[in-house]
Amino acid sequence: RKEVEQDPGPFNVPEGATVAFNCTYSNSASQSFFWYRQDCRKEPKLLMSVYSSGNEDGRFTAQLNRASQYISLLIRDSKLSDSATYLCVVPDDKIIFGKGTRLHILP
Amino acid sequence: EAGVAQSPRYKIIEKRQSVAFWCNPISGHATLYWYQQILGQGPKLLIQFQNNGVVDDSQLPKDRFSAERLKGVDSTLKIQPAKLEDSAVYLCASSLDLGSEQFFGPGTRLTVL
Repeated sequence: RKEVEQDPGPFNVPEGATVAFNCTYSNSASQSFFWYRQDCRKEPKLLMSVYSSGNEDGRFTAQLNRASQYISLLIRDSKLSDSATYLCVVPDDKIIFGKGTRLHILP
Repeated sequence: EAGVAQSPRYKIIEKRQSVAFWCNPISGHATLYWYQQILGQGPKLLIQFQNNGVVDDSQLPKDRFSAERLKGVDSTLKIQPAKLEDSAVYLCASSLDLGSEQFFGPGTRLTVL
């Protein structure tokens, strides 16, 4: 059975700090991965896509480790507005979302 | 560019009643998804369409849930009869093609009493 696992958190992190969390997947043949951000009572919105080794967009970096079958999301210089739930998704023959990691940025 | 549209935004029904949700994807998107998201959990895929064909409905409770996308554009999801455990947010998403990034609608929040 294919699985996508995330640490549910919550991660409580002071503003300005760096935080990282992982998403493990079971299907070694997976080729693409996505990180979505979901605010409370809102729909998920795409944050980053990962097709090869990784991707970087401003303060956000996504890395793929194929050998250990996980993707990571690193947030540098965290802002209060980064507080949200971060979902990873592996869209192969079965689309599987992780349950999400809750992040709270503390002032 | 218009996003994914869903209606209604909220629905309250009693158990054993029927309910239907509507979704209009982004124009040109071939793939349409219906998800169920229970509070505190990630979205669970119910059904995935490629144009008007079903790609995956393995997690759709077919004894009470049905969905269609007859003309390959908009879609409806129906629950008949509803149970208490169906209370959730039902999200519709669309993507250009299989495996590409998904764009989500605002969801329909269903409460079954």
